[in-house]
Amino acid sequence: EVQLVQSGAEVKKPGESLRISCKGSGYSFTSYWIIWVRQMPGKGLEWMGRIDPSDSHTKYSPSFQGHVTISADKSISTAYLQWSSLQASDTAIYYCARRRYSNVWYDYWGQGTLVSVSS
Amino acid sequence: QSALTQPPSASGSPGQSVTISCTGTSSDVGGYDSVSWYQQHPGKAPKLMIYDVNKRPSGVPDRFSGSRSGSTASLTVSGLQAEDEADYYCSSYAGSNNPLDFGTGTKITVL
Repeated sequence: EVQLVQSGAEVKKPGESLRISCKGSGYSFTSYWIIWVRQMPGKGLEWMGRIDPSDSHTKYSPSFQGHVTISADKSISTAYLQWSSLQASDTAIYYCARRRYSNVWYDYWGQGTLVSVSS
Repeated sequence: QSALTQPPSASGSPGQSVTISCTGTSSDVGGYDSVSWYQQHPGKAPKLMIYDVNKRPSGVPDRFSGSRSGSTASLTVSGLQAEDEADYYCSSYAGSNNPLDFGTGTKITVL
């Protein structure tokens, strides 16, 4: 069974750092890109960026470039999204999803990680 | 801001059909047979409902169908059921240098 399992909810203060994770199982982790999607409270889905776990090549949305870092450790089938300095505006649910590079859809999604940033 | 525009809301009574649109340009929706649709219930992760304009993944009821005319794609839900009440997002390929981004989203309400 294909699964993307994300790390648990986080409560942080502005200026703190954070790394959340997305672990894939039930498939060849290096055969699919992993994307990260932000959903702010009551809002829509925003594509943040993606990583190819086979070579760790990344691509970011201009809206998120420089504010987050996407990485992956293919030895443990896990992708990461990290911040070096959180802001209150980073409060959101973050989803990971997979996409086979030859396809143009996201077929499996993680359950989401709620990140709350407040002083 | 998303380049794919959807109406904020749509509604229908149980058993009726509802169709929602996703308007793009000739550079995305109108240029490729690569539109997908996602259903999201409150507090849940999105779920793939339609890919490649009109194909259904295994397990998705055939009440859900997709189509495209020019630069506008559509999702039709026939025989509406209470469980179909959710947010729906479209997505379209727009070339290898562009992300597979999402539409603005439509909330379907079952009256």
